[in-house]
Amino acid sequence: EAGVAQSPRYKIIEKRQSVAFWCNPISGHATLYWYQQILGQGPKLLIQFQNNGVVDDSQLPKDRFSAERLKGVDSTLKIQPAKLEDSAVYLCASSFSPRYEQYFGPGTRLTVT
Amino acid sequence: GQQLNQSPQSMFIQEGEDVSMNCTSSSIFNTWLWYKQDPGEGPVLLIALYKAGELTSNGRLTAQFGITRKDSFLNISASIPSDVGIYFCATPETSGSRLTFGEGTQLTVNP
Repeated sequence: EAGVAQSPRYKIIEKRQSVAFWCNPISGHATLYWYQQILGQGPKLLIQFQNNGVVDDSQLPKDRFSAERLKGVDSTLKIQPAKLEDSAVYLCASSFSPRYEQYFGPGTRLTVT
Repeated sequence: GQQLNQSPQSMFIQEGEDVSMNCTSSSIFNTWLWYKQDPGEGPVLLIALYKAGELTSNGRLTAQFGITRKDSFLNISASIPSDVGIYFCATPETSGSRLTFGEGTQLTVNP
């Protein structure tokens, strides 16, 4: 079974630029999560989708972050404009349903200079 | 939100030694999860605990759900170099499936 795919794996941008990350969950997983992991910390949930609907985006900085999951499969997370404090690893995870085990992708390491 | 306190922050041990780490909180939980994260990878679930007092093993790993439901312990026996990584405890928010993670314990194993 293929795991959660993410791209790109690394991205370096200047502050105030825009960036987008892509995630392809495990086939058949209805629930998709985006986490932000700052160096030296545990992952923090940004947004949770159930199929193509948002279930929880309470910790998403909506003035600069946006995410979508069109057709309930792939998802894109965007940051516009980026700030220095956005430097982190962005992890995508998926699960069969909200109460089941979450499987994580390898993450995208973002560096904002 | 909930806060999980992990200790120690880091450990440096010799191959073959046993390791113990723990996670505590001021809140009561119904589930404790232990993840391992290798460099450049996402976290992988090691052990899930669903009942107070539960003791569960996965190979050389053993985890326990504290009786008070406010803590959990992870033990690794006879450590090997591939045990190197960051170990996180996590628990779902009571209102849904959002996971709250601890700050992690960085384990280094010297051959």
